[in-house]
Amino acid sequence: DGGITQSPKYLFRKEGQNVTLSCEQNLNHDAMYWYRQDPGQGLRLIYYSQIVNDFQKGDIAEGYSVSREKKESFPLTVTSAQKNPTAFYLCASSRTGGGGNQPQHFGDGTRLSIL
Amino acid sequence: QKEVEQDPGPLSVPEGAIVSLNCTYSNSAFQYFMWYRQYSRKGPELLMYTYSSGNKEDGRFTAQVDKSSKYISLFIRDSQPSDSATYLCAMYRGNAGKSTFGDGTTLTVKP
Repeated sequence: DGGITQSPKYLFRKEGQNVTLSCEQNLNHDAMYWYRQDPGQGLRLIYYSQIVNDFQKGDIAEGYSVSREKKESFPLTVTSAQKNPTAFYLCASSRTGGGGNQPQHFGDGTRLSIL
Repeated sequence: QKEVEQDPGPLSVPEGAIVSLNCTYSNSAFQYFMWYRQYSRKGPELLMYTYSSGNKEDGRFTAQVDKSSKYISLFIRDSQPSDSATYLCAMYRGNAGKSTFGDGTTLTVKP
């Protein structure tokens, strides 16, 4: 079954700690995305990658970092510089980064909380 | 001002009702339009994907795009309790590399 797997489902972070959220896809999609969703709000783009070894900042990249060393994987690190990290994090992928193949497919998210 | 504005809701309807969910946008360069359904504690699921102005139907769902008015709608006929979810509109330019999402409308269908 093709899809996007995010792990863990729930994650707790201590003050001053970096944490990494995992995102793996087996859809053979070129493009991958990370979003943050806060209660009652839409999706805000953190980072996106249209191809391996390349990524761009989204609207709220401060305090986050990513890597894209493999096509299937796009991990997100929430650093201690992110002062309000409690949120629901969603990873998505699309066949390409533009044109008619861009509709994104989502994983089931990771809920990050501060201890 | 946001590029995409979505009717905020929440919306509560009886089972069997016709539901209308709406978004307006300001950027005339948007070419592709999507509707997603998101159940609680889950990721959004792609429901409808359209390119041109007009209507697209899939079962009980109809997506409508009016590019001249910069307005898109999702209609749900014969609504069911299982349709209770948050609905997100999204759109993008051809080579933008990213989509812009509305804030979502939460729908409750009461049996």
